[in-house]
Amino acid sequence: AQSVTQLGSHVSVSEGALVLLRCNYSSSVPPYLFWYVQYPNQGLQLLLKYTSAATLVKGINGFEAEFKKSETSFHLTKPSAHMSDAAEYFCAVGSGFQKLVFGTGTRLLVSP
Amino acid sequence: DGGITQSPKYLFRKEGQNVTLSCEQNLNHDAMYWYRQDPGQGLRLIYYSQIVNDFQKGDIAEGYSVSREKKESFPLTVTSAQKNPTAFYLCASSIASGSGEDTQYFGPGTRLTVL
Repeated sequence: AQSVTQLGSHVSVSEGALVLLRCNYSSSVPPYLFWYVQYPNQGLQLLLKYTSAATLVKGINGFEAEFKKSETSFHLTKPSAHMSDAAEYFCAVGSGFQKLVFGTGTRLLVSP
Repeated sequence: DGGITQSPKYLFRKEGQNVTLSCEQNLNHDAMYWYRQDPGQGLRLIYYSQIVNDFQKGDIAEGYSVSREKKESFPLTVTSAQKNPTAFYLCASSIASGSGEDTQYFGPGTRLTVL
């Protein structure tokens, strides 16, 4: 079975600081990996996804993630946090028949 | 604009009542999904459908029912058998390639509260 672990339910950064949100996955087959963002009381929006074309994936709003097979990781980064980045972030792994398995989420807090 | 709509945005239910949450998409997607979101638990799959007139149970289907009579619509009924229905419900859709790489697009959600 596939699974996702997101380390840290909350991450706090200052505006302008590096953002690093951690995601580790477990999969018996080559995975498809996704990062979604959710603002309060809204649905999820796709930030980026990995489909084996390139290990470094660039997404929207300046975010990127690097697939590291040896570490079974797909951490999300952004060089400089902005106040508007405050939201909840979900990592997910794609399994068969279009099913996604989600992590429990990491809430990003950005202070001025 | 193409997208997914969910209604209502907020829904209040008395104990013992069935309620139906609406989900409509105009993305021409074959696959549709319902998730339940609780604080600290991420998203859990309730039901999904890959084609009209067919649907499968997800991880937490007990106390819920669905129908898929039209490609555009995938309503979810929360029955009185669901013991703890207060949650945020999200509908999603995607193409149905049969692999795990298809991006799921989400609606804005319905917040259900049991009084």
